[in-house]
Amino acid sequence: QVQLQESGPGLVKPSETLSLTCDVSGFSISSGYYWGWIRQPPGKGLEWIASIFHSDSIYYNPSLKYRVTILMDSPKNQFSLRLNSATVADTAVYYCARMGATDNWFDVWGQGTRVTVSS
Amino acid sequence: SYGLTQPPSLSVAPGKTAKITCGGNNIEDKSVHWYLQKPGQAPVLVIQSDSDRPSGIPRRFSGSNSGNTATLTIRGVEAGDEADYYCQVWERTSDGRHVIFGGGTKMTVL
Repeated sequence: QVQLQESGPGLVKPSETLSLTCDVSGFSISSGYYWGWIRQPPGKGLEWIASIFHSDSIYYNPSLKYRVTILMDSPKNQFSLRLNSATVADTAVYYCARMGATDNWFDVWGQGTRVTVSS
Repeated sequence: SYGLTQPPSLSVAPGKTAKITCGGNNIEDKSVHWYLQKPGQAPVLVIQSDSDRPSGIPRRFSGSNSGNTATLTIRGVEAGDEADYYCQVWERTSDGRHVIFGGGTKMTVL
């Protein structure tokens, strides 16, 4: 059974870097799927952040691409998100998820982790 | 950039049929996926590729896509179907590929 688990600080100060990790179990992240991050600000809808297939296939939300980096660590079977220059507007629940490489739907999601940007 | 438009809310009585729409320019040319999200929980895929149900999703859930509108239909609505529903597409642009979500529809079961 594929499981994803997000981890990282629940509180980040403005202007600092928000860093999250998604641990994947029950499936190899090198096995032909995209892996992505999605966030949801309080009371709002879903916002896609980034997806990675391998180091040569990475896609970012245009509105975030200058502040975001997504990385894969195949030996550890995990992938990560870095969001620079955090602001209050980055406060959200952050989800990691698996996406089919040809089908492009998110079929497995982590439970989500709440991140608050505040001084 | 490509946008997906959903009605913010929908109310339906138990046992009735709910139709949640997702509007986009020539959306019929794209593959549309649908998720439901209950409060405090992660989204769950309920329809993939316009009309296919993932394993475990009741047959009451169905999808269609034509022209500029994709539709998620829920027949025999139950109290447990009360949730937020989101549509999603994978958009190819000149600078790469992007995931796009609709704004979401909050469905209330009366």
